[in-house]
Amino acid sequence: SQELEQSPQSLIVQEGKNLTINCTSSKTLYGLYWYKQKYGEGLIFLMMLQKGGEEKSHEKITAKLDEKKQQSSLHITASQPSHAGIYLCGADKGGGADGLTFGKGTHLIIQP
Amino acid sequence: KAGVTQTPRYLIKTRGQQVTLSCSPISGHRSVSWYQQTPGQGLQFLFEYFSETQRNKGNFPGRFSGRQFSNSRSEMNVSTLELGDSALYLCASSHDRGSADTQYFGPGTRLTVL
Repeated sequence: SQELEQSPQSLIVQEGKNLTINCTSSKTLYGLYWYKQKYGEGLIFLMMLQKGGEEKSHEKITAKLDEKKQQSSLHITASQPSHAGIYLCGADKGGGADGLTFGKGTHLIIQP
Repeated sequence: KAGVTQTPRYLIKTRGQQVTLSCSPISGHRSVSWYQQTPGQGLQFLFEYFSETQRNKGNFPGRFSGRQFSNSRSEMNVSTLELGDSALYLCASSHDRGSADTQYFGPGTRLTVL
């Protein structure tokens, strides 16, 4: 079965600094989703990547899917307290079957 | 457009009881998926309903069931509750089938089994 490894598991970053979160799959990714979750709450959709080499940006967050479609990175520029939370990557196995498979998440803490 | 809503937000039950959770999708969305989130296992797919039919099911026992109504609202039922069923239950809706389309999540129902 497909597994997603996220790294790092947790991250403490000083406000204003840049950071990167990685998501690596054991199999080819047909669709890669990034979500953000505040503790104990629902998931907020950030971005979806489908094509190898694709890159999307929204405000200060940029996500990329590598050419081989087995790894994605999420980069935050000039981090702010509002960026704190849990970042989850989710993968589509293809064919729309079996829901999304998620990584364990990266806990991001922003220090003022 | 209103987002995905889930009721109730919090629930406390005892072992052996049963529980029903409700999910109202975004207007116009026909697919509803359910996930269980626990600290140990993370987010795991339970099942997906599309046009009142269960399309996919994750690796969960038969105590977990669901249904979808003609207005796309969905309910999830857990019978004979066990302590390990304590979790955050999230539903997600999408326009079309499951993970082939972007899923938007609700706030979740926090279930505590005592």
